[in-house]
Formats: sequence, C-alpha cells, structure tokens
Amino acid sequence: SAVISQKPSRDICQRGTSLTIQCQVDSQVTMMFWYRQQPGQSLTLIATANQGSEATYESGFVIDKFPISRPNLTFSTLTVSNMSPEDSSIYLCSVNGDRGVYEQYFGPGTRLTVT
Amino acid sequence: GQQLNQSPQSMFIQEGEDVSMNCTSSSIFNTWLWYKQDPGEGPVLLIALYKAGELTSNGRLTAQFGITRKDSFLNISASIPSDVGIYFCAGPHNAGNNRKLIWGLGTSLAVNP
Repeated sequence: SAVISQKPSRDICQRGTSLTIQCQVDSQVTMMFWYRQQPGQSLTLIATANQGSEATYESGFVIDKFPISRPNLTFSTLTVSNMSPEDSSIYLCSVNGDRGVYEQYFGPGTRLTVT
Repeated sequence: GQQLNQSPQSMFIQEGEDVSMNCTSSSIFNTWLWYKQDPGEGPVLLIALYKAGELTSNGRLTAQFGITRKDSFLNISASIPSDVGIYFCAGPHNAGNNRKLIWGLGTSLAVNP
C-alpha cells in the first residue's frame, strides 16, 4: 500500500486564521480524499480530490471554507479557512488503493486545535 | 440514507479473551472493509471483503461478509494489549462510481493485561 505523510502533524491556531494541510503520497494515485474526525467520533468525508479537476464536496462542506488543491498525482492540500473552535478536529487524507476499488489508505492525520 | 450500525460501542476485556464485533446496514453492500485506528494515528485497513459469505483472516483477526450482504463480523482471537484501539467498519456509498465510503461509528476496544 502507498505511504502517506501529512504536514503539520498538529497545530494550535487562533480563531479567524487559516491553516493549510499538506498530504504527500509516495506513488501516483487517482483519487485522494479529505476527512474530518471530531473528538471521539467517526470519519466524515469533506471532499474528494482528483487531479486536474475541481474537488467534489460533501453536503455541509463548501469550497470557500475548505479549499483544496490537487496539482499532481502525488500531492494535495486542504485549507481550513477563517477557523473557529468548532473546526478543532483531526484532518485525515486518504488515497484509493490499487488492489480493490474501495480500499482506502490513510495518512497519520493532522490534529488541529483552534483557540 | 445509507448508514452503518456498529456494536458494541465499546468493549473492555481481559488479555487472552476472544472478541467479536459486528456491523449492520439496512441496505445491501457489495464490499465490507474493517479498519483499526490507534490513538493519534490514521485508520489502518485490516481486512477487505468482496463476496457474500466470504471469510477472511489476517493473523488473529477473522472477518466475515454476511450472506444477506447487510452485515459483517470481525473476530479477534486471543487478544493482546496492542489490540487496543477503535475498530471501524466501512462500505461503499451507493451513489455512482465515486468510491466514497460510509463509516460506522466504531467499536472501542480496551484490553486489560
């Protein structure tokens, strides 16, 4: 499976600021996914990012708040804009696997705290 | 909409005991995935199931794809302290070929040495 890294691993940010999270994969992948995991909760998909096209956002998530870039097949960024304490979560990127259509492999996550 | 129900929500067991957890849905799934998430880490894929009735093992872990295609089970035999974590089931969203997954709420496992 692909090796996925995320930067930063954690951050503490002030409300009203923005943070850009990077996701790097060691091999080319078609689909990358960004998730939010609030404390003690399950995973919620924010958007799907395909190279060369606009990200597809899930209900409740908008591009102005969570702009995503996907400049190539190994890299993506998620920005959390105009942050509030409610944005405090773990943000995870994942990629589709090459063995099964639905298998996804995850990065270690970015733990964000907004004060 | 599609929803996955996991049970139990949490378990506290003694080292060496066997563990069983399940995942059910009101709709049919053609794939079941089981993940484990350690504290401070991203989920790791344990087992993927693709056929109704399929039984697949990964070391001490065994997962089954229910015959009705509406449920799946994960068993852990002879638990050890490093089995501690949250176990999630996931299955494909039924809207198109976008490869999105639906996630259960997780089963939190604690193992007493």
